Amino acid sequence: SQQGEEDPQALSIQEGENATMNCSYKTSINNLQWYRQNSGRGLVHLILIRSNEREKHSGRLRVTLDTSKKSSSLLITASRAADTASYFCAPTNSGGYNKLIFGAGTRLAVHP
Amino acid sequence: TAGITQAPTSQILAAGRSMTLRCTQDMRHNAMYWYRQDLGLGLRLIHYSNTAGTTGKGEVPDGYSVSRANTDDFPLTLASAVPSQTSVYFCASSERGYNEQFFGPGTRLTVL
Repeated sequence: SQQGEEDPQALSIQEGENATMNCSYKTSINNLQWYRQNSGRGLVHLILIRSNEREKHSGRLRVTLDTSKKSSSLLITASRAADTASYFCAPTNSGGYNKLIFGAGTRLAVHP
Repeated sequence: TAGITQAPTSQILAAGRSMTLRCTQDMRHNAMYWYRQDLGLGLRLIHYSNTAGTTGKGEVPDGYSVSRANTDDFPLTLASAVPSQTSVYFCASSERGYNEQFFGPGTRLTVL
């Protein structure tokens, strides 16, 4: 597997605003996953998008995938203070089990 | 169901001592993983196991060993701890390759 690189490193917004985080990777993938980590806790899986999908929704989350640009974005709409967390992407390519390699993540702060 | 449990929650260890971090899952997942997360950084894979009886090395395996005697348990052992192993350790599991991983709550280890 390969490492995804999240951008920006940090994002600060007000409640109700949308938050967009980006992920870039280097080689072809089978799928790409997004995870959230609240401070001091384990990661929680948010959404998985396969290489043949371009967009996927889950509640207030929207993930897009552009394999030609080797990039993905995570959009959180109508953000809440509870969305404050670090967000990580994990691209997965072929060749074995899901050995995820995480980048440094995007630290999102949502202010009331 | 409990999901994934880790023990202990935290530990202070003298350099040179050995320690085993425990991880147990009750989801009958085939694959299990150990990650470490240093302050402000993403997770790095230490060791993984695709199925009971097999293990493999991740990005940062040196100084750590694992075993997978059965499906549920995946202990991580530090034979002779060093201060650079101070970190938060997360165990994870997945049903099979390419699927989402489920993370435990973590073990905070300080080596002095």
